Amino acid sequence: GENVEQHPSTLSVQEGDSAVIKCTYSDSASNYFPWYKQELGKGPQLIIDIRSNVGEKKDQRIAVTLNKTAKHFSLHITETQPEDSAVYFCAVPPVGGSTLGRLYFGRGTQLTVWP
Amino acid sequence: ETGVTQTPRHLVMGMTNKKSLKCEQHLGHNAMYWYKQSAKKPLELMFVYSLEERVENNSVPSRFSPECPNSSHLFLHLHTLQPEDSALYLCASSQDPGANVLTFGAGSRLTVL
Repeated sequence: GENVEQHPSTLSVQEGDSAVIKCTYSDSASNYFPWYKQELGKGPQLIIDIRSNVGEKKDQRIAVTLNKTAKHFSLHITETQPEDSAVYFCAVPPVGGSTLGRLYFGRGTQLTVWP
Repeated sequence: ETGVTQTPRHLVMGMTNKKSLKCEQHLGHNAMYWYKQSAKKPLELMFVYSLEERVENNSVPSRFSPECPNSSHLFLHLHTLQPEDSALYLCASSQDPGANVLTFGAGSRLTVL
């Protein structure tokens, strides 16, 4: 299956600073790259995604960039706030065959934003 | 009630008990999933149901038995579990089986003694 590596596993930033989380994947044919946010006591929630036909997508303070050549994509959070503290997961669906909601998830990044 | 609702939120059971986890989605989605979330491991897909038919069983031990009586409800029946089965069990749904956008419930935290 797809090999998804996510770094760092933990990240602490001061409120107002930027945070960047990176994921690498193994299948060059992958074409969809979502990021999920999991707050304490809740399930993961999709926050942003990107398809392979674009290199960057922004939604207010969050953005995702994709480098298909290097097979990595990153989540960027600017002007971080304490409520951004959560575990963030990248994911990649399998290519070919049956996808059926299968996503290969990274191991997650615990982001802590200090006030 | 909207979204994906899971009950119970917390469950403690012995290895000889039989219990069930319940999931209900109010989104009109046609596909439902069980994922397992263990500490220090990536989320693992367990089962996929499409229009109430199981379409994938990801090599899950038979002590986990899913049931999907209709497109809005999904159960995970548990029996003779092991301590290593302790984890957060997440239910998710999607518009259709081929969609990769998942809506997750809050999960059921299971502890096996």
